[in-house]
Amino acid sequence: AQKVTQAQTEISVVEKEDVTLDCVYETRDTTYYLFWYKQPPSGELVFLIRRNSFDEQNEISGRYSWNFQKSTSSFNFTITASQVVDSAVYFCALSERRRRTGTASKLTFGTGTRLQVTL
Amino acid sequence: EAGVTQFPSHSVIEKGQTVTLRCDPISGHDNLYWYRRVMGKEIKFLLHFVKESKQDESGMPNNRFLAERTGGTYSTLKVQPAELEDSGVYFCASSQDFSFGGKVNTEAFFGQGTRLTVV
Repeated sequence: AQKVTQAQTEISVVEKEDVTLDCVYETRDTTYYLFWYKQPPSGELVFLIRRNSFDEQNEISGRYSWNFQKSTSSFNFTITASQVVDSAVYFCALSERRRRTGTASKLTFGTGTRLQVTL
Repeated sequence: EAGVTQFPSHSVIEKGQTVTLRCDPISGHDNLYWYRRVMGKEIKFLLHFVKESKQDESGMPNNRFLAERTGGTYSTLKVQPAELEDSGVYFCASSQDFSFGGKVNTEAFFGQGTRLTVV
């Protein structure tokens, strides 16, 4: 069975601070995908990143960076110099990677971390 | 390109009534998923369509839930009769998996959700 744990229910930071959102996962699959989604106040889930279990390279996209460590089953997300627009609920998710096609299947989500960035 | 759209955005019904939720996926996406988030808990998978066929309905809670995707385009999720524990946010997502030149595209794009309240 798959499981995703986001231990931080809520985080509050002041603008320009750096913040790291933790994600720990469990899976018996040998190949899998990890995802982060953002849910702003408008409600939709916005895709941020997909990471293949084969690839442990960290990734940076602007102020966002992701640290994938297979040895600790963690996929943490860091926002550098946070802004008020980063305020949202962030979800980490896990999916089996289908062997034949290399595509993802259904997602297993964590409970989400609510990030509040204030001025 | 239009994203995933869901109707209605909110619905308040009495216990025992019937409600039908609709999802219009991104045009051309064969995969359509339904998920549900009960207050404060994780987003949970309900079922997966590939075109008009149910690929995986292991997450459907009971036979009061009926999902259809006639013609492989939009999908409906009917709850009949609704119970109090059915309250939550119902998300729809779609994806079009493909692999080309070693690159895999498999992200699921979500709608804004339908908030269902059963009173």
